[in-house]
Amino acid sequence: RKEVEQDPGPFNVPEGATVAFNCTYSNSASQSFFWYRQDCRKEPKLLMSVYSSGNEDGRFTAQLNRASQYISLLIRDSKLSDSATYLCVVILPDSSYKLIFGSGTRLLVRP
Amino acid sequence: DAGVIQSPRHEVTEMGQEVTLRCKPISGHDYLFWYRQTMMRGLELLIYFNNNVPIDDSGMPEDRFSAKMPNASFSTLKIQPSEPRDSAVYFCASSSPHGTSGRISSSYNEQFFGPGTRLTVL
Repeated sequence: RKEVEQDPGPFNVPEGATVAFNCTYSNSASQSFFWYRQDCRKEPKLLMSVYSSGNEDGRFTAQLNRASQYISLLIRDSKLSDSATYLCVVILPDSSYKLIFGSGTRLLVRP
Repeated sequence: DAGVIQSPRHEVTEMGQEVTLRCKPISGHDYLFWYRQTMMRGLELLIYFNNNVPIDDSGMPEDRFSAKMPNASFSTLKIQPSEPRDSAVYFCASSSPHGTSGRISSSYNEQFFGPGTRLTVL
């Protein structure tokens, strides 16, 4: 079983829609969680950290469910510029600096 | 400020040739990471360094791969001999536990990626 699993998508949504992605992780002792964004043929960039209490940054909301071992990303009022691949990232308990990336969920926002 | 710099951006070589990828981390960052990304396997960590010392190389696929960090501003990833299955995008990333304030950042393990080297082995 992969350490981090994501639905590859693509999620094809109209501008203005709300879309949510989930990501599951296998190690219950995982300590830190993030969402990275990767545009086509570009490098990944940190979108937001995921805190136990959940966190919001503008149109983006990230939540963690430790009991079910999943994290989620909600995007409200989708923009064309949100089209990208969203990578779920977990840090395992044995290392504070080793990021484990999911394979990514592709989002396409259409006009 | 310049971000992580990688060279070359594209490399096309023939099977059996030696390939050397280069990386300059962000100044002041004491962690450096090498990743490989393919459609089949996604983004995989190959090796990472702390203060120029290799910490974890468990992701290096085999002896044909080697990485060095002779100083804080330069690292190389070498493949010798190269094979077609090595074709991928290779990213270098750097990070620092201290934000610009000098205090431990809440995103202390945020990694800043370079633009990548797209390697094709024929």
